[in-house]
Amino acid sequence: GAVVSQHPSRVICKSGTSVKIECRSLDFQATTMFWYRQFPKQSLMLMATSNEGSKATYEQGVEKDKFLINHASLTLSTLTVTSAHPEDSSFYICSAVGTGNYEQYFGPGTRLTVT
Amino acid sequence: GQNIDQPTEMTATEGAIVQINCTYQTSGFNGLFWYQQHAGEAPTFLSYNVLDGLEEKGRFSSFLSRSKGYSYLLLKELQMKDSASYLCAVSHISNFGNEKLTFGTGTRLTIIP
Repeated sequence: GAVVSQHPSRVICKSGTSVKIECRSLDFQATTMFWYRQFPKQSLMLMATSNEGSKATYEQGVEKDKFLINHASLTLSTLTVTSAHPEDSSFYICSAVGTGNYEQYFGPGTRLTVT
Repeated sequence: GQNIDQPTEMTATEGAIVQINCTYQTSGFNGLFWYQQHAGEAPTFLSYNVLDGLEEKGRFSSFLSRSKGYSYLLLKELQMKDSASYLCAVSHISNFGNEKLTFGTGTRLTIIP
């Protein structure tokens, strides 16, 4: 149990375009989902916390107008990188927490390359 | 803010034991996680400590001292597949009142034959 999927697993886009990444909890309802970014040889950096039906809480230094997060249901959160630039190229990982649980279950990650 | 320190790299021999330390300074501490991450993959859960003491799970054990802000992950009978990054992550309450994880920089462990 407790499986989280992400789609796509890998995406290449041109500078200036937008990319949407989906995060789904497959066998449980996720009241909270988290979005992380990881640059090569660095650790995970939390970008935002997403609660179902409410606005996401962004970490300091993360532009909310550039990284749009929608948590429309208890099993789906999406991250849209708008007007992507090469410096947005990174590994984006989501995680989900079930009701009354403490453990975050991580998705497999999405590698974004902006050319 | 949160401050989490762990060594950047370690090397150990197959069959041996290695201890990866993690020190932290944080407010609103709830617990401490250890994750394993292979290159290009998402982290996988290894352990979670809330109370002081040692938690043992097969070849992996994790220790926590809340008063000292210190934890370690102990790996026994090392195997080549244990070569990975090991992430220490502190669970705490954010300024917005929600629970979140803050990760350390990770320790890249290399196992040699």
